[in-house]
Amino acid sequence: ILNVEQSPQSLHVQEGDSTNFTCSFPSSNFYALHWYRWETAKSPEALFVMTLNGDEKKKGRISATLNTKEGYSYLYIKGSQPEDSATYLCAFQNSGNTPLVFGKGTRLSVIA
Amino acid sequence: DSGVTQTPKHLITATGQRVTLRCSPRSGDLSVYWYQQSLDQGLQFLIQYYNGEERAKGNILERFSAQQFPDLHSELNLSSLELGDSALYFCASSPGDRYQPQHFGDGTRLSIL
Repeated sequence: ILNVEQSPQSLHVQEGDSTNFTCSFPSSNFYALHWYRWETAKSPEALFVMTLNGDEKKKGRISATLNTKEGYSYLYIKGSQPEDSATYLCAFQNSGNTPLVFGKGTRLSVIA
Repeated sequence: DSGVTQTPKHLITATGQRVTLRCSPRSGDLSVYWYQQSLDQGLQFLIQYYNGEERAKGNILERFSAQQFPDLHSELNLSSLELGDSALYFCASSPGDRYQPQHFGDGTRLSIL
C-alpha cells in the first residue's frame, strides 16, 4: 500500500507571511508527484506535475521543489494572501496513466 | 471550469437504494477516474477507465460498479446503499498521455438517510 503523508495537517498564517509545507512519498518506483489546490465548495485544481529529481516549478507566488531520492516535495507560498486559503493536496504516481495516491492535504488559512 | 461535468450535484436517498452518478470528461480525455471523499479521509481512488476499458481498480466495494461508454462518459453505480456510503464522489479525467494532470469535476455529494 502506497503511503503519502502531508504535514502539517493545518496551518494558520498572517497575510503577507511566507509559508511552506511538506509531502512525503515512497522513494522507489517514482513516476510523478502532483500538487493540487482545493478551495472549499470547488473541485481540486492542478498546480504542478513534477517528474524529475531536483525539479522546481513556479506559478505566481507558489513554487514547489522535488527530491525523489529521499521522497519529499515542498510547496512554498510567498507573501500569503487571503485568497490562498485552501487545502493543498499532493498525489503520488508510480507509473504513467495510473491513478494518483493522494495525501490528506494541508489546510491553509490566511488571516487578513 | 475544469471541463469535467458531473451530475447530479447533490443526491439524497435512503439505505438499500441504488443510484447512478454520471461524469462527462474533458473533450479529448480518454481516461476517467472515480474518487470518494469521506469525512476525515483523503481522496480515495475507486476505479479508472481508459478508452472504454477498465484500467485500474482501487478500494471499490463489490456493491459499486462503473463503466465508460463509447462516447467516453462514465457512470458510477452504487447499490444496496449504506449510511457509510455518504460522501463526496469526484470524477477526474486526463488525456492518458505522460505527465498530464487530472482535471476534476465539481463532485456529487451523496447523502444517505
